Amino acid sequence: AQSVTQLDSQVPVFEEAPVELRCNYSSSVSVYLFWYVQYPNQGLQLLLKYLSGSTLVKGINGFEAEFNKSQTSFHLRKPSVHISDTAEYFCAVTEGLTGGGNKLTFGTGTQLKVEL
Amino acid sequence: GAVVSQHPSRVICKSGTSVKIECRSLDFQATTMFWYRQFPKQSLMLMATSNEGSKATYEQGVEKDKFLINHASLTLSTLTVTSAHPEDSSFYICSASGVNQPQHFGDGTRLSIL
Repeated sequence: AQSVTQLDSQVPVFEEAPVELRCNYSSSVSVYLFWYVQYPNQGLQLLLKYLSGSTLVKGINGFEAEFNKSQTSFHLRKPSVHISDTAEYFCAVTEGLTGGGNKLTFGTGTQLKVEL
Repeated sequence: GAVVSQHPSRVICKSGTSVKIECRSLDFQATTMFWYRQFPKQSLMLMATSNEGSKATYEQGVEKDKFLINHASLTLSTLTVTSAHPEDSSFYICSASGVNQPQHFGDGTRLSIL
């Protein structure tokens, strides 16, 4: 079985400062990893994903994440945050990519709060 | 990118009524649809997985007679909360997946039972 751990439930940061949101996973097989962002009362928007290839993945809104197989981590980073980045961020893992095999397991989420 | 439309976005109704939520994939064939439930400040909990033309597979602890799922076509799945009660109040999110399509999420439905 697969699982995802987001150790930080809340991360406060000042605007224009860098941020890292941590994600660790466990699985007995190869996995695919995702980061989603959720704004209040909305669904999930895909930020970025790691499927294969380069371990450094760039996504939308200036976010990037690095897949580290040895540490089973997929931390999300942004060099300079903006007020509009305030939202809930979810890390997710799946063992399949499409159809019925694409069952996502989500972490508990990290609330990023950007302050002036 | 792929779009999934979920309707309604918000519904308020009396205890005992049934509520239907629709999830449509607008520009691809959704062979599989997922239904999630999200409590305030918590993660998404998978309720069930439905494949087009087949019965839904429910996660442990989810009442199949309470949460009826229909996936009759490749573009539409519905979730019906039957005889809803205040404890069913929650944020429900659907997602759709297809051949060469990872999951795409709807915008969610805020269900409030009075």
